[in-house]
Amino acid sequence: AQKITQTQPGMFVQEKEAVTLDCTYDTSDQSYGLFWYKQPSSGEMIFLIYQGSYDEQNATEGRYSLNFQKARKSANLVISASQLGDSAMYFCAMREGPGRRALTFGSGTRLQVQP
Amino acid sequence: KAGVTQTPRYLIKTRGQQVTLSCSPISGHRSVSWYQQTPGQGLQFLFEYFSETQRNKGNFPGRFSGRQFSNSRSEMNVSTLELGDSALYLCASSLVEEGTGELFFGEGSRLTVL
Repeated sequence: AQKITQTQPGMFVQEKEAVTLDCTYDTSDQSYGLFWYKQPSSGEMIFLIYQGSYDEQNATEGRYSLNFQKARKSANLVISASQLGDSAMYFCAMREGPGRRALTFGSGTRLQVQP
Repeated sequence: KAGVTQTPRYLIKTRGQQVTLSCSPISGHRSVSWYQQTPGQGLQFLFEYFSETQRNKGNFPGRFSGRQFSNSRSEMNVSTLELGDSALYLCASSLVEEGTGELFFGEGSRLTVL
């Protein structure tokens, strides 16, 4: 089974609108972390936001927020007030268990912001 | 401070050759991990090094190897290159002590195997 599932290969959003990128995960670990990364065409992976499995509140970082629903095993990224520079690939990733550094990535969602 | 630096950025090799990629982590970061990104398989974990020791390894054949030096710089090597090894190879560093363990990625080395 896929550990990280991103069901939206591509998304379009109008500039200044909000958009939600979906991510579901599968793990039997109690301790895990969820990440979202942005990858522009240059190739660099840019960290956006992190949510720990024990964090009770949803993570927020500026225009990014993570809608964490633990029981449903979902960790959706919400981008508010989209900007043209937000056009990129977005990857959801998970780190399982304490002491492990490896991330498992989803297949990504390509977001295109339209003027 | 300087980010993660990967060299070379682009390279072209032929089947059967070998290649060495280099990664310099952010100053003070002691953990370095490598990922392979291809259109077909997406992003896959290769291996992770901490204090010159390999701590984790992904599901890749033995042709893929790596090492870390005392200054935390890391190299990965791919021997007997195959067409399927064409990919973007990303290096990431982290401060293990940080709670979130955020990984900082470099811009990658894009390898083309002909």
